[in-house]
Order: sequence, then C-alpha cells, then structure tokens
Amino acid sequence: AQTVTQSQPEMSVQEAETVTLSCTYDTSESDYYLFWYKQPPSRQMILVIRQEAYKQQNATENRFSVNFQKAAKSFSLKISDSQLGDAAMYFCAYRYQGAQKLVFGQGTRLTINP
Amino acid sequence: DVKVTQSSRYLVKRTGEKVFLECVQDMDHENMFWYRQDPGLGLRLIYFSYDVKMKEKGDIPEGYSVSREKKERFSLILESASTNQTSMYLCASSIVAGGHQETQYFGPGTRLLVL
Repeated sequence: AQTVTQSQPEMSVQEAETVTLSCTYDTSESDYYLFWYKQPPSRQMILVIRQEAYKQQNATENRFSVNFQKAAKSFSLKISDSQLGDAAMYFCAYRYQGAQKLVFGQGTRLTINP
Repeated sequence: DVKVTQSSRYLVKRTGEKVFLECVQDMDHENMFWYRQDPGLGLRLIYFSYDVKMKEKGDIPEGYSVSREKKERFSLILESASTNQTSMYLCASSIVAGGHQETQYFGPGTRLLVL
C-alpha cells in the first residue's frame, strides 16, 4: 500500500526567510504524481505545486519549489521569501498513474513570524 | 475558476441522527470525492464517484454512504451519526482529460460535531 509521511507536525519561520517542508512516500509504482496542497486557516485547500514522477526537473511555481528525489522517495517543498499569507497547513499527497484517489500525509502546520 | 461548494460550513447533530452533507461543483467534472480530515491523520478518502450513479469505496467507508444522482452533486450520508464521526469533511472534484485524472479541487469543508 502506498503511504505518505510528513515527519514535521509544525514548522515556523521568520518572514522573508526560506523554509523547507519534508515529505517521504512509499510506493512500488514507477509512474505517479506528487502534490503539495495548502490549507489556510478557515479557507479552501488549494494546490501549490505538482510533480510528475517521470520528469527529472523539479517543479517550480514562483516562490515555491520542490526537491524531488525519486530514488530516495522524497518530495520536499521549499518556500522562499516567506510571507505572512503562507501560514497554513501543508499537505503532501501522492497518486499513481491511473488511480483516482489521492493519498495524503499527516500535514505540517507552518507559522510565519513577522 | 473551478468552484466546489458544500452546503454547510458547520453542523451540530445528535447521536443517531441521519446526516446529509451536500457538495456541488460547477465545472462538469466527472470525478467527485469525499474525504475526512482529522488532526495527525491528514485526509482519508471515504468514497468517490467517477460518474453519475457510480461510486467506489475509499479507505474508510464504514458508517457512510453516498449518492450521486446528478453529475454536479455528490452527497455524503451518515445513516446514524456517532460521536466518532465528529470531523472535518472535505469534498473534491476533478476532471478526466485524455484518460487521465487532473488536479483535484476542494470545497471549503464542513465541520461536523456529533453530540
């Protein structure tokens, strides 16, 4: 069975600094997708970034980038120049090619200190 | 923009009551999902539907049922609510393009308290 593990229940960072959220996963599949979702307090969960396993290049979306290490089954999210609006619960998720469902990690609560 | 709405943000029910949670999406998505979110456990899939009247069990279907009579609407039913069903419930939808599922879009969630 596929599993996703986020080992950091909580993280905090000073505004304007860089923070990295960790995620590891376990799968025997070779074709899959990895996601980072953001859930701000009392607001809708939104997709931050997505990575296809067959792509060697790490995905980037503005201040958000990932470090995808396929052999190590690691998928960390780096947030550069942290802003107060980045404060949220962040979930790492996995889906293998052809599957319908997402498998989520436990979540990491990120606090931004002004 | 994709819009996924849920009928209630907060709900308080008594043990044994029948509870309906409604989800509506406005983008003609084939797939719809119901997740449950609990602290320390992340999101867990309860049921999903890939077409009208079609459904499949997720990881934790016990105590729940679903209904999808129209493409845009997916209902989660708690036949007899219990206190261990107190949780945040999230609905999501996604489109199938080229045979592949695209990104899932989430609703705002319903926080259910069962007393």
